[in-house]
Amino acid sequence: QVQLQESGPGLVKPSETLSLTCAVSGYSVNSNYYWGWIRQPPGKGLEWLGSIYHSGTTYYNPSLKSRVTMSLDTSKNQFSLKLSSVTAADTAVYYCARSGYCSSTTCSFDYWGQGTLVTVSS
Amino acid sequence: DIQLTQSPSFLSASVGDRVTITCRASQGISSYLAWYQQKPGKAPKLLIYAASTLQSGVPSRFSGSGYGTEFTLTISSLQPEDFATYYCQQFNSYLSTFGGGTKVEIK
Repeated sequence: QVQLQESGPGLVKPSETLSLTCAVSGYSVNSNYYWGWIRQPPGKGLEWLGSIYHSGTTYYNPSLKSRVTMSLDTSKNQFSLKLSSVTAADTAVYYCARSGYCSSTTCSFDYWGQGTLVTVSS
Repeated sequence: DIQLTQSPSFLSASVGDRVTITCRASQGISSYLAWYQQKPGKAPKLLIYAASTLQSGVPSRFSGSGYGTEFTLTISSLQPEDFATYYCQQFNSYLSTFGGGTKVEIK
């Protein structure tokens, strides 16, 4: 059974960098899947942030592209998200997820972490 | 960017009702569409992928259809555990997007 668990600071100051990690169990991140990040501001809808393939290939949401970085750590079987220069608009529940069915570029997501709330505030 | 418009945004229904939710894409996305169910405080759960393929373990009362720009999610007989918010997602392009959601509440 695939399980994903997000971790990281729950409070980040404006202009700083948000850093989250997703620990994966039951499956190797070095397998033929994409691993993604999705966020949801309180009371609002879902926003895809980006995905990373086991080869290191990444697809990022263009609206965040200059601020977002994703990486894999195969030795720890986890992947990470960094979002720089955060503002209050980046306050959201952040989910990590494993890809399901894909097109040639992006994917649906079949396994999700429980989500972690990150608040941007001074 | 491909925009997804869900309708209705809110739906009030009774147990046993047949419910249909529509998702319209601003341009053709082939069958690269998924449907999710989300309950308060929980992560989304994948119901349907490739527009009409039922995810393993999802009850058969859920079904999806459509191709190109218009898609539907149907719940054939609404059960108490189905009251939730439903989202569509397109993954046809370099930018994946979600619809705005449809909240299904008890009448």
